[in-house]
Amino acid sequence: DAGITQSPRHKVTETGTPVTLRCHQTENHRYMYWYRQDPGHGLRLIHYSYGVKDTDKGEVSDGYSVSRSKTEDFLLTLESATSSQTSVYFCATSGQDSSYEQYFGPGTRLTVT
Amino acid sequence: RKEVEQDPGPFNVPEGATVAFNCTYSNSASQSFFWYRQDCRKEPKLLMSVYSSGNEDGRFTAQLNRASQYISLLIRDSKLSDSATYLCVVKRDNAGKSTFGDGTTLTVKP
Repeated sequence: DAGITQSPRHKVTETGTPVTLRCHQTENHRYMYWYRQDPGHGLRLIHYSYGVKDTDKGEVSDGYSVSRSKTEDFLLTLESATSSQTSVYFCATSGQDSSYEQYFGPGTRLTVT
Repeated sequence: RKEVEQDPGPFNVPEGATVAFNCTYSNSASQSFFWYRQDCRKEPKLLMSVYSSGNEDGRFTAQLNRASQYISLLIRDSKLSDSATYLCVVKRDNAGKSTFGDGTTLTVKP
């Protein structure tokens, strides 16, 4: 398994505050992804990265931004958190070939009150 | 219609049973296919990739039918430890973006 860590693992924040989630990998994987998982919706892609400073939107990107300044780190920012962003957030990575399987981090449970 | 659809669950089976899950996908250009397993409140973990020729890993067999655009997972001799949610995953483009099915929950009972 890829060495993927996420921080924080749990966070409670108030509506309107900015929040940044961090994903760190030690496998030098080129591709990194941010998903959210909600009951009834499964895993949905928020943003992804195909290299340092190369990012693109997924299917549910509104209200989120990302940055990747180093291969190993992929940050997800909620500029102004809303209650609809309460979810479990998973980071994933994939190797040098995009057809490879993805490996997931342990997840961050975010609650916006 | 969802891009990836899985059998509705839950599946409740006794130990030792054989259980099969099916998954259909709508994008004929999809490139890679996987089954993941997710335990409650944990991250998804790769169970197996799915190849056109079919592949087997112990008690698990995966098959792909590109013509009919479906994927299957067969679990033989079910164990209590097989209880989990099984996710069908389809990679759809060169950027590796994946679409996940909503998952099928399996409970194996003594």
